[in-house]
Amino acid sequence: EVQLVQSGAEVKKPGESLKISCQGSGYKFPNYWIGWVRQMPGKGLEWIGVVYPGDSDIRQSPSFQGQVTISADKSISTAYLQWSSLTASDTAIYYCARRGGGDYGDAFDFWGQGTVVTVSS
Amino acid sequence: DIQMTQSPSSLSASIGDKVTITCRASQGISTYLNWYQHTPGKAPKLLIYAASNLHNGVPSRFSGSRSGTDFTLTISTLQPEDFATYYCQQTFSSPFTFGQGTKLDIK
Repeated sequence: EVQLVQSGAEVKKPGESLKISCQGSGYKFPNYWIGWVRQMPGKGLEWIGVVYPGDSDIRQSPSFQGQVTISADKSISTAYLQWSSLTASDTAIYYCARRGGGDYGDAFDFWGQGTVVTVSS
Repeated sequence: DIQMTQSPSSLSASIGDKVTITCRASQGISTYLNWYQHTPGKAPKLLIYAASNLHNGVPSRFSGSRSGTDFTLTISTLQPEDFATYYCQQTFSSPFTFGQGTKLDIK
């Protein structure tokens, strides 16, 4: 069974750093892109970017370039999203999801449960 | 970036109704269009991929179609568990943008 398990909720202050994780199981983790999606309070889904764990290739939305860093460690089947200096506007739910590949139109076919990030002074 | 515009933004319907949600791409995306269902407190769920293919385990009352750059999600007979927000997403070119969402609630 494919599963993506994300790290727990975080409460941080502005200016602090943060790294959240997404661990995959039940499939060959290096062989599928993992993506990150943001949902700000009361808003829709936003595509942040994807990482290919096999070679750490990254595709990232220009809207998020320089704001967050995407990475992966295939040895422990885990993808990451990190911030060096959080702001209140980073408050959101962050989902990871597996990109299903060409047979699935590159859709996100499996999703993590979401990580709530709250940034407040 | 390719812009995805959904309509309507919100929709009220009753159990048993047929519902249609539309998504328009700002440029040609072939059939690289997916539909997701999102319920508050849960992870989004893939319903339809590549414009018209039903994902594993998704009820057959859901269907998708394409006409040029216009895409449609249809729910043939609304069930209580279908009240949620629906998003389209293009996977033709990066960034793989989502539509703004369509909130479906009970009339």
